[in-house]
Amino acid sequence: DTGVSQNPRHKITKRGQNVTFRCDPISEHNRLYWYRQTLGQGPEFLTYFQNEAQLEKSRLLSDRFSAERPKGSFSTLEIQRTEQGDSAMYLCASSLAGQLPNYEQYFGPGTRLTVT
Amino acid sequence: KQEVTQIPAALSVPEGENLVLNCSFTDSAIYNLQWFRQDPGKGLTSLLLIQSSQREQTSGRLNASLDKSSGRSTLYIAASQPGDSATYLCYSGNTGKLIFGQGTTLQVKP
Repeated sequence: DTGVSQNPRHKITKRGQNVTFRCDPISEHNRLYWYRQTLGQGPEFLTYFQNEAQLEKSRLLSDRFSAERPKGSFSTLEIQRTEQGDSAMYLCASSLAGQLPNYEQYFGPGTRLTVT
Repeated sequence: KQEVTQIPAALSVPEGENLVLNCSFTDSAIYNLQWFRQDPGKGLTSLLLIQSSQREQTSGRLNASLDKSSGRSTLYIAASQPGDSATYLCYSGNTGKLIFGQGTTLQVKP
């Protein structure tokens, strides 16, 4: 399967713990996006990378959140000192910039985080 | 600031009906508009992508249109089936403004 993959699919953690999620994009895609989705809402943009450069960060991405894409391939999203309000589905998507169809996003299955 | 609105928030129709989902956006400087489907607890599946220079795209029973001047896109579903039941999300692609609508939850009754 050459789609976007995310690990783990589910994560239950206690408040105050750190968690890290991984996203593997479609191999030839140079853009990678992170979104957060809570129940009944559309996905909210968190950040995106073009290759290894983080080009945009939402104000939703507080100091407790950090994302990396060190080699321009997979990416990690870390949440430090988790809070119950961090409970959500974290979605990753990838796209190819610079060629038509431009920026069409392909999503992974998501990581569901539950903070108890 | 780009805002994306989807109407209606929820829709229930009998099987076989044709239906239209609406998406409106405030900033017409988009480079594309994409429609997705999301099943409960799952990720998003891309349905149709319309580039800013295009007016519509078709795939099977689905047709999406884009009118940048009025800030609107519609997703037309022909001959709806129970398997179409899902949440449909539209996404507006602007540089630095990556915004989803809140979705329309569709239920197609057998």
